[in-house]
Amino acid sequence: RKEVEQDPGPFNVPEGATVAFNCTYSNSASQSFFWYRQDCRKEPKLLMSVYSSGNEDGRFTAQLNRASQYISLLIRDSKLSDSATYLCVVNSGYSTLTFGKGTMLLVSP
Amino acid sequence: DAGVIQSPRHEVTEMGQEVTLRCKPISGHDYLFWYRQTMMRGLELLIYFNNNVPIDDSGMPEDRFSAKMPNASFSTLKIQPSEPRDSAVYFCASSPLRGSTDTQYFGPGTRLTVL
Repeated sequence: RKEVEQDPGPFNVPEGATVAFNCTYSNSASQSFFWYRQDCRKEPKLLMSVYSSGNEDGRFTAQLNRASQYISLLIRDSKLSDSATYLCVVNSGYSTLTFGKGTMLLVSP
Repeated sequence: DAGVIQSPRHEVTEMGQEVTLRCKPISGHDYLFWYRQTMMRGLELLIYFNNNVPIDDSGMPEDRFSAKMPNASFSTLKIQPSEPRDSAVYFCASSPLRGSTDTQYFGPGTRLTVL
């Protein structure tokens, strides 16, 4: 079983739509969780951390379910500029991060 | 701050040649990571350093790969000899003190093509 699994997509949505991505992780000892964003042919960049109680940053909402080992990202009111690959990332207690392969989002006019 | 700097941005070489990738981390960051990204395998950690010391190189695919960090502002990843299957984008990332190592700042990457 892969350590971090994501649906590769692509998710095709119109501007203004709400879209949700999910991710599962295999290591129950994982301590920290994140979403990174990667634009085409660019480097990954931190989008937001994911906290146990859930957290929101503008149009973005992240949720964590430790019992199910499941992480989600919700994007409301999608913009064209949200088109990117979203990487689910898990820190397993050391200094290293394990990245999912990413979910591609395409927002169309 | 200029961010993480990598060079070259693109490298095309022939099988059997030596390839050296370079990275300058963000000043003051104690951690440096080397990753490789391919469509098939995604982003994989190759090796990371803390205060210039290699901590975990278990992700280095084989002896053809080596990495060094002679000082806090410079690291290299060397492939010798290179093979076509090494073609990938290689990212360097740095991170500040352990309390926030989870936030890694990536360089723009080196796109390597081995013919």
